[in-house]
Amino acid sequence: NAGVMQNPRHLVRRRGQEARLRCSPVKGHSHVYWYRQLPEEGLKFMVYLQKENIIDESGMPKERFSAEFPKEGPSILRIQQVVRGDSAAYFCASSPDRGRDSGANVLTFGAGSRLTVL
Amino acid sequence: QKEVEQNSGPLSVPEGAIASLNCTYSDRVSQSFFWYRQYSGKSPELIMSIYSNGDKEDGRFTAQLNKASQYVSLLIRDSQPSDSATYLCAVNFSGATNKLIFGTGTLLAVQP
Repeated sequence: NAGVMQNPRHLVRRRGQEARLRCSPVKGHSHVYWYRQLPEEGLKFMVYLQKENIIDESGMPKERFSAEFPKEGPSILRIQQVVRGDSAAYFCASSPDRGRDSGANVLTFGAGSRLTVL
Repeated sequence: QKEVEQNSGPLSVPEGAIASLNCTYSDRVSQSFFWYRQYSGKSPELIMSIYSNGDKEDGRFTAQLNKASQYVSLLIRDSQPSDSATYLCAVNFSGATNKLIFGTGTLLAVQP
């Protein structure tokens, strides 16, 4: 049973290019989350999606960033016109539907995609 | 602004000692609390989850929750060098979504 799969693991872009990061959740999980981690910093929430819906995008920068989780295929985090400040590790996590007796369900993280902007 | 606060450390303990990691959070209606471990350059992995006041034990790990004081801690007994990592506290502030807010993490160094 594969965990959360992210690709690419490493991505190098020049300023102004586009970066696309992909995330396939754990089989059976319908909730996907994207987090960004800058060097020596904690995980910052970006966006929470269910299939075909954005549930919470309060952590997404207003410009250049977008996310989707289509009915078929992986979730995509897209960064347009990248700048050096976008260099970070981007982690995707997934969770199943809410458990009957619990609060939030446990998030399972992928290995991350490390973006370097030259 | 809902926040999760942790001492960044590093917290240095000798091998075999008890490591105590602390976390405070800003919202009294928080329901779910998690401790994740993250090795350098790796992804976070779940260590413990706790939902009710009191202690929850799993092997060498004990999570403690005090909702009145808005405080959650993680104790690691018989600390090993392999426990050296950054420990991230995470809180679900709202029952309406599964979004977790993370603290900045505490770096633990276990000295052999």
